[in-house]
Amino acid sequence: NAGVMQNPRHLVRRRGQEARLRCSPMKGHSHVYWYRQLPEEGLKFMVYLQKENIIDESGMPKERFSAEFPKEGPSILRIQQVVRGDSAAYFCASSPPIRPGTEAFFGQGTRLTVV
Amino acid sequence: SQQGEEDPQALSIQEGENATMNCSYKTSINNLQWYRQNSGRGLVHLILIRSNEREKHSGRLRVTLDTSKKSSSLLITASRAADTASYFCATPQTGANNLFFGTGTRLTVIP
Repeated sequence: NAGVMQNPRHLVRRRGQEARLRCSPMKGHSHVYWYRQLPEEGLKFMVYLQKENIIDESGMPKERFSAEFPKEGPSILRIQQVVRGDSAAYFCASSPPIRPGTEAFFGQGTRLTVV
Repeated sequence: SQQGEEDPQALSIQEGENATMNCSYKTSINNLQWYRQNSGRGLVHLILIRSNEREKHSGRLRVTLDTSKKSSSLLITASRAADTASYFCATPQTGANNLFFGTGTRLTVIP
């Protein structure tokens, strides 16, 4: 059972370009969470998705950021018109259907650098 | 904010010593989790303690939880150089599984 897979591991984008980050959850997991980590800081929650549904996007910036988790395929975090401040590590986690105390399993992250 | 805060921010000890990290949080929880992150890597789940538990052990790890003080501690005994990493506490949002993380303690174990 492969773990949570994120790709690419590293992504370099020029200002104004789009960044697409992919996350394939663990087999059997239907819940996906995206987090952002700035250098020397903890992880900040961005968005929580189930298949074809956004459950909570309270941590996601209102503009330029969007996320989806389609019925088939990986979850995508999309950042349009990237700016230097978007440079960070983006982590995806997945878990089975909600049960209090279920641990989340994290991917290795995508490091986005905006130049 | 529900986010936890770890203390100290950084800790440097000699191999073989014990390392203690503390975490405080703000709202009621049904569990608290500790994660480890090696430099440049993803997070690894270490241990989960439920709100009705006071202490839990896993190998060289010992976690305590004091819900009256809204605090938890992580003790790593007989530390090794390989324990060098950042350690985060995390609490789940009520009724959901998205986690709120603290700012982390950066532990350095000197061989």
